Amino acid sequence: SQTIHQWPATLVQPVGSPLSLECTVEGTSNPNLYWYRQAAGRGLQLLFYSVGIGQISSEVPQNLSASRPQDRQFILSSKKLLLSDSGFYLCAWSLTENTEAFFGQGTRLTVV
Amino acid sequence: GQQVMQIPQYQHVQEGEDFTTYCNSSTTLSNIQWYKQRPGGHPVFLIQLVKSGEVKKQKRLTFQFGEAKKNSSLHITATQTTDVGTYFCAGLLIGGGSYIPTFGRGTSLIVHP
Repeated sequence: SQTIHQWPATLVQPVGSPLSLECTVEGTSNPNLYWYRQAAGRGLQLLFYSVGIGQISSEVPQNLSASRPQDRQFILSSKKLLLSDSGFYLCAWSLTENTEAFFGQGTRLTVV
Repeated sequence: GQQVMQIPQYQHVQEGEDFTTYCNSSTTLSNIQWYKQRPGGHPVFLIQLVKSGEVKKQKRLTFQFGEAKKNSSLHITATQTTDVGTYFCAGLLIGGGSYIPTFGRGTSLIVHP
């Protein structure tokens, strides 16, 4: 069966520090991968998605970047965090854009 | 830009009352998905609707897709405290220029015992 792993679960980082969140999927090949951000009490904002290795599409220009160095690995990064980067970050995968998405447990990031 | 609107944002009910959340799009949808996110948790897929006028049931939950494929609803009969959470719809817009489902902002359901 397929599983998705996302870590860390919680993270407190100072303003200006770098960020690296990692997500890996097991049990499937060539999945679509997604990074979402959810601000407190808000909906899901799509940040990046990838349909293959090295293929990254950005939905919202901002202080973050994403990379897909391997088929089932998706990384969210920042060189310098801002206070406004605080939020709940969710990684997800799906077989295609027409099928359901499976979400990781999420990372709660607080920038102080 | 093209959006999927979801109402209400919050809904308080007494346990045993019914609950409905609505999802609307100005653009025809290829399909619509529904997810539930428990407090502190991550969204979990509930169901996908594809056909015009489709109705699907999961125990006390009834999902509908409009005839024009521009709206959808989730109805919960006789709510229980285990129904607490935020319910999201996600619609795949036809001709929207994106091949990624667009999420609504969610409806947070609060059930009072």
